[in-house]
Amino acid sequence: SQQGEEDPQALSIQEGENATMNCSYKTSINNLQWYRQNSGRGLVHLILIRSNEREKHSGRLRVTLDTSKKSSSLLITASRAADTASYFCATGRVYKYIFGTGTRLKVLA
Amino acid sequence: DTEVTQTPKHLVMGMTNKKSLKCEQHMGHRAMYWYKQKAKKPPELMFVYSYEKLSINESVPSRFSPECPNSSLLNLHLHALQPEDSALYLCASCPSGQEDEQFFGPGTRLTVL
Repeated sequence: SQQGEEDPQALSIQEGENATMNCSYKTSINNLQWYRQNSGRGLVHLILIRSNEREKHSGRLRVTLDTSKKSSSLLITASRAADTASYFCATGRVYKYIFGTGTRLKVLA
Repeated sequence: DTEVTQTPKHLVMGMTNKKSLKCEQHMGHRAMYWYKQKAKKPPELMFVYSYEKLSINESVPSRFSPECPNSSLLNLHLHALQPEDSALYLCASCPSGQEDEQFFGPGTRLTVL
């Protein structure tokens, strides 16, 4: 399977704590994207990091990319109950996007 | 208008029925996608249309038939489905498909009896 792997599969934290999830992929990439999905709904794009970038920030999100290890991490700082969702990394090559297995994050109020 | 809409939200059909899912976007995006998602799994790519032409078919069974009538519309025609086809069907679009951000619709929850 070309699918990326994410870990942990599930993560439960208290509100205000930081959440870190990791993504590993198998092929060379031009960019890697992170998406959020609230239960049973469509995915929302969070952030895109290009292969020549090592780190990117967007609000409370911080993404890192290590192309030598074929891995990326997503850090959500000061988490909120509204951050409860599934998070997927995705790699794309000319129209074709492959999603990682996902991390289910639960933030407890 | 920066959203992708999908109809219907929910669909229940028998194995002998014929139904269609509809997806629409008015962002001028040139690539449109169908994904299938089972519970607690990632979306799986089914079809990609680029500039209204079918670019990718991920070996999807012929009981699923995509159609792109124009640059804003994408349909998925369903016929003789199996219970294992029950899933969330997601439509997405992106500006050019060249590794851009994808915009997803809310999905159609399909149940096949």
